[in-house]
Amino acid sequence: RKEVEQDPGPFNVPEGATVAFNCTYSNSASQSFFWYRQDCRKEPKLLMSVYSSGNEDGRFTAQLNRASQYISLLIRDSKLSDSATYLCVVTRGTGRRALTFGSGTRLQVQP
Amino acid sequence: DTAVSQTPKYLVTQMGNDKSIKCEQNLGHDTMYWYKQDSKKFLKIMFSYNNKELIINETVPNRFSPKSPDKAHLNLHINSLELGDSAVYFCASSQEPQPDYNEQFFGPGTRLTVL
Repeated sequence: RKEVEQDPGPFNVPEGATVAFNCTYSNSASQSFFWYRQDCRKEPKLLMSVYSSGNEDGRFTAQLNRASQYISLLIRDSKLSDSATYLCVVTRGTGRRALTFGSGTRLQVQP
Repeated sequence: DTAVSQTPKYLVTQMGNDKSIKCEQNLGHDTMYWYKQDSKKFLKIMFSYNNKELIINETVPNRFSPKSPDKAHLNLHINSLELGDSAVYFCASSQEPQPDYNEQFFGPGTRLTVL
């Protein structure tokens, strides 16, 4: 089983649509959770951290369910510029740790 | 102004050659990483250094040897290149206060093609 699993997509949605991505992780010791965004042939960049209480940043809302080991990202009012691959990312646990990436979900927003 | 830079951006070489990729960060971070992104776009940690000390070494072939001359630099040397080494290699850095966790900043990547 992969440490972080995501639906690869692609999700093809019209501008203005609301789209939701889901992710599950296997390591119950993971401490921190993130969504990164990667544009085609570019490096990953942090989109937002994910907190147990849920958090929102403009049109983006992230949720974490530790009991189910499940993370979600909701994008409202999709823009063309949202087209990218969204990577679900968790840390491995305590101590010095690196990021474990999901394989990403590709979003294509169409005019 | 580039925060994390890598050279070269593209590297095309023959099987069996030895090559190096350089990474530098000017963010003052104390932790640096090498990741490999394969053809399926899966990003995987290879190594991590904290203040020039190796702290993470995944199950990477020993043909791959990282070197950190100082905390702003982490280079990756690859011996006897194989076809399967073709991938995009990303360097990243972060500041790691405990117990919190900070954002990792990635370099632009080095696209390695082994022929």
